[in-house]
Formats: sequence, structure tokens, C-alpha cells
Amino acid sequence: SQQGEEDPQALSIQEGENATMNCSYKTSINNLQWYRQNSGRGLVHLILIRSNEREKHSGRLRVTLDTSKKSSSLLITASRAADTASYFCATASVSGYSTLTFGKGTMLLVSP
Amino acid sequence: EAGVTQSPTHLIKTRGQQATLRCSPISGHTSVYWYQQALGLGLQFLLWYDEGEERNRGNFPPRFSGRQFPNYSSELNVNALELEDSALYLCASSLLRGQETQYFGPGTRLLVL
Repeated sequence: SQQGEEDPQALSIQEGENATMNCSYKTSINNLQWYRQNSGRGLVHLILIRSNEREKHSGRLRVTLDTSKKSSSLLITASRAADTASYFCATASVSGYSTLTFGKGTMLLVSP
Repeated sequence: EAGVTQSPTHLIKTRGQQATLRCSPISGHTSVYWYQQALGLGLQFLLWYDEGEERNRGNFPPRFSGRQFPNYSSELNVNALELEDSALYLCASSLLRGQETQYFGPGTRLLVL
């Protein structure tokens, strides 16, 4: 089963608006990462936030992490048509000799 | 610096055949991961290789197997192909094992007829 669950499944906005995507997970984590996937292509790493961090910024991206609620959000400010893609959160569990677990993604459509 | 490369880009097979997919990691990366992305199912973790050894395996049957070569490139083999194996197969590599940033290749799209 998937560790991370993104919400919403799909989001449609106009250029210039902000886009917020949420991710919930179930177990304790070492870090949480966000990736972007343009249609049918490989994933591109956007940002990594560690369990002892609460907020992180990278350009127009802002990620928050609330370990007490086991949730994270990705905010894209001043969206552009080129931001149209699927966005995935991935969690790195503290338990076991494990790797990343990806959610099903949020599909973002930014219209000009 | 060259990114992760995968070959072939597309592969068409018939049910019961075998498929071999290849991946070359970023130079210096020793960990290679394989994922299956079927339509509507997100990324499903398949296999993780590090330093030539299989480190972890997802919930897939034994007909999904692979290996990592001394140069850290990797091969994914799928035997006795089934229609539901049709998917985008993504390979990723990382500098540090397991839980750090993964760098993805463009994928191999496998179609089983």
C-alpha cells in the first residue's frame, strides 16, 4: 500500500494563481520529498525536507512538514503553464532498510 | 554530467515472452532503483540494488528480477509477461543509499499484447 497520499487528485488553476497540494503519510519518517513528473516522463526531484524541519523554500516552492499530523504541503506560487505536471510526495521511513515510498500524485493543470 | 539513461524507450512484447530493460545510473551513483508506473496506480517500488547486491524488493512476483553489474548499471528482467505488466518502468539512481534524493531516467514504456 502507498505510504503517502496526495490531495487533491487533480487541481486546475489559472496562470498567476497559487497551487497547494497536500500529502499525508502513516509511519514515522526520516525525510519527505516532492517530485514532479511531466506527462509520461521520468520524475524530477523538487525539494527534500527532513523530519526535524518545519518549512523549506526553493524559488517559487514552499514546503511545510507537520510530523505531529503526519502531513506535508507543497505550495507553488505564481503558477505558470509550464508547472502543468503531476506532483508526487515520497516518504523515507525510519524503520527498516528501506527506500522511498511514493504516493499516487496530484495532477496540476495551469491554464494560460 | 549525464543523467540516468534507460533503454529501450519503448518495448512491445506478447504475453508469455520475456522483457529485458536496462539502466545506467549517474556516474558515481552506486544505488539503482526500479519502479513500475501502471496507469492510475502511481509508482510501485520494484527493486533496489546497491553495490551489486539486491537490498530490497517490492511486492512483486519472482518473475520480476534483475541484477546490478560491476559498473553499477542494472538490468530488469520480466519473465512470462502478462497483459497487466504493461506500464512505464522507471529507473532511478542515488549517491547515498536508500533514502536520499533519487534521480530518474526517462523510463521504458512496455506494452504487452
